[in-house]
Amino acid sequence: GQNIDQPTEMTATEGAIVQINCTYQTSGFNGLFWYQQHAGEAPTFLSYNVLDGLEEKGRFSSFLSRSKGYSYLLLKELQMKDSASYLCAVITRGSGTYKYIFGTGTRLKVLA
Amino acid sequence: DVKVTQSSRYLVKRTGEKVFLECVQDMDHENMFWYRQDPGLGLRLIYFSYDVKMKEKGDIPEGYSVSREKKERFSLILESASTNQTSMYLCASSLRGGQPQHFGDGTRLSIL
Repeated sequence: GQNIDQPTEMTATEGAIVQINCTYQTSGFNGLFWYQQHAGEAPTFLSYNVLDGLEEKGRFSSFLSRSKGYSYLLLKELQMKDSASYLCAVITRGSGTYKYIFGTGTRLKVLA
Repeated sequence: DVKVTQSSRYLVKRTGEKVFLECVQDMDHENMFWYRQDPGLGLRLIYFSYDVKMKEKGDIPEGYSVSREKKERFSLILESASTNQTSMYLCASSLRGGQPQHFGDGTRLSIL
């Protein structure tokens, strides 16, 4: 079957670095997204990885290893506003159609 | 910036009512999606559409239907609302299959 695993909760301190891991077991892998979702709000797109390696975007970076079925989101210089849920989502393709599979999200608490 | 607009942020309806949730996107995206999000279950796909008048069932279509008469508008219909349909409903769109999804602000629907 298709499955995505991420930790349920993480806690980190303001100014620190945190790494949120995501592992997946899917067929027809076609890319991986990370989204940020603040409580009561809609998910917002953070990053997209389709090839192995690191994608950097300001304080946020995302890494992908397709052979290991593994990704992580790295948040540097944590700020209080980074307290949110982070969703890992995999796109698969089969029979000409794309399917988006979401993890249940990692709730990050940033402490002062 | 892509704008996905959902007609209501909060909605309260009664059991047995027919409920319409509307979603409009302004970026000429081909694909549109309806999800529901429940604590501990993550995002679950109800229906999606890859073109006008086209629709495909997602993972949990029972009790729902959709309509896409125009490219920019995708409506979710609860044929006869039940209490287990109380949830956060999120609409999303993507330019094409496999591209990042952009989400609306969500509708928190309560069925009494």
